[in-house]
Amino acid sequence: GAVVSQHPSWVICKSGTSVKIECRSLDFQATTMFWYRQFPKQSLMLMATSNEGSKATYEQGVEKDKFLINHASLTLSTLTVTSAHPEDSSFYICSARDILPSGYNEQFFGPGTRLTVL
Amino acid sequence: GESVGLHLPTLSVQEGDNSIINCAYSNSASDYFIWYKQESGKGPQFIIDIRSNMDKRQGQRVTVLLNKTVKHLSLQIAATQPGDSAVYFCAENGLTGGGNKLTFGTGTQLKVEL
Repeated sequence: GAVVSQHPSWVICKSGTSVKIECRSLDFQATTMFWYRQFPKQSLMLMATSNEGSKATYEQGVEKDKFLINHASLTLSTLTVTSAHPEDSSFYICSARDILPSGYNEQFFGPGTRLTVL
Repeated sequence: GESVGLHLPTLSVQEGDNSIINCAYSNSASDYFIWYKQESGKGPQFIIDIRSNMDKRQGQRVTVLLNKTVKHLSLQIAATQPGDSAVYFCAENGLTGGGNKLTFGTGTQLKVEL
């Protein structure tokens, strides 16, 4: 199956600093990638949809200036959490979409990045 | 709609028993449904999917049932094993009209007791 990687797997940073998380599709090209956030004991919440070569589409309530998304190539999307604060501590998961011959899409998920802001 | 869980429902089963995990979805226009397994500290792992033109689909040890009338989805795991312990999420996806976005259910923690 398709493989999606994330880097780093975990990061600890000080409040006020910025953190960049990378999401890569390793064996397929993904025109669309998605970024999710998951708090403990909760479900995955979609933050934004990232399309290669265009601006990301953010879900309601997600600050686009705080969560910067760049999708510069068909295999790489990055999420930068700017001026991170303790409430941004969470598990960030990306997925990459591969379009099946049927027209339905399947999302392949990365292993997640644990962000802890001190 | 969005699903935000304030806590995770838990299902405890004995090893070897069958498990049934239920999910209610919100969008009657959704036409593709997926079950994911998530182990602690990892990303979701695809288990099985089903299109809306089907009401049942079987995989290896897993069966998904879809009842569109009541917008209900279930995952059946046969002969549950310790390695099945994880959180299970259903997700709905629309093919058209702003679809191609997954909406996740609240999740169910499956605990397999030896």
